[in-house]
Amino acid sequence: EVQLVESGGGLVQPGGSLKLSCAASGFTFSGAAMNWVRQAPGKGLEWIGRIRSDLHNYATTYGASVRGRFTISRDDAMNTAFLQMNSLKTEDSAMYYCTRASYSNTWFFDYWGQGTLVTVSS
Amino acid sequence: QSALTQPPSTSAAPGQRVTISCSGTSSSIGNTFVSWYQQFPGAAPKLLIYDNYKRPSGIPDRFSGSKSGTSATLGITGLQTGDEADYYCGSWDGSTWVFGGGTRLTVL
Repeated sequence: EVQLVESGGGLVQPGGSLKLSCAASGFTFSGAAMNWVRQAPGKGLEWIGRIRSDLHNYATTYGASVRGRFTISRDDAMNTAFLQMNSLKTEDSAMYYCTRASYSNTWFFDYWGQGTLVTVSS
Repeated sequence: QSALTQPPSTSAAPGQRVTISCSGTSSSIGNTFVSWYQQFPGAAPKLLIYDNYKRPSGIPDRFSGSKSGTSATLGITGLQTGDEADYYCGSWDGSTWVFGGGTRLTVL
């Protein structure tokens, strides 16, 4: 059974940093493209970015709103993906989901974690 | 503002059929495939449809998807009260992923 479990959320002050983790199990993590998606309270889904596998040189891509502040990484030995968030703003407050992306004719998100809540407030 | 446009809400009676639209451009939907996600309050999203019309294992055939030009449509037949949820379309435009703004489905 595929499982994605996020952790590391919490309360952080504006301008601060936080690192989220996503522990994966039930599939070959090293070959998977892992993404992060967030959802502000009462709002829609926003894609943050992705990291590909070592076959694709761990290439990363980010959404415009977080580019330059957020960094996605992975540790295949630990079956874990990470989201390092710096220079946090109040508008970064959201539930953060880790997702696995699979490819058929194009990418889609076939498995999601339960999310971890990040609150940016003074 | 989302790159993909969905109606904010829709409603229908139990047993009826409902469709949810997702409108994009020639460089988004018009040039790729669309997936759909269902999200209940307080829960993570779940994949409903990928590659415009394909259903993952376990998704009932009451759910269907289609695409024409720069628009995609999610269809749900035999509506049940348990289908009340938010529905999101999404697509990969070659460099980034975009979601629609979401549609809240109310089953009256």
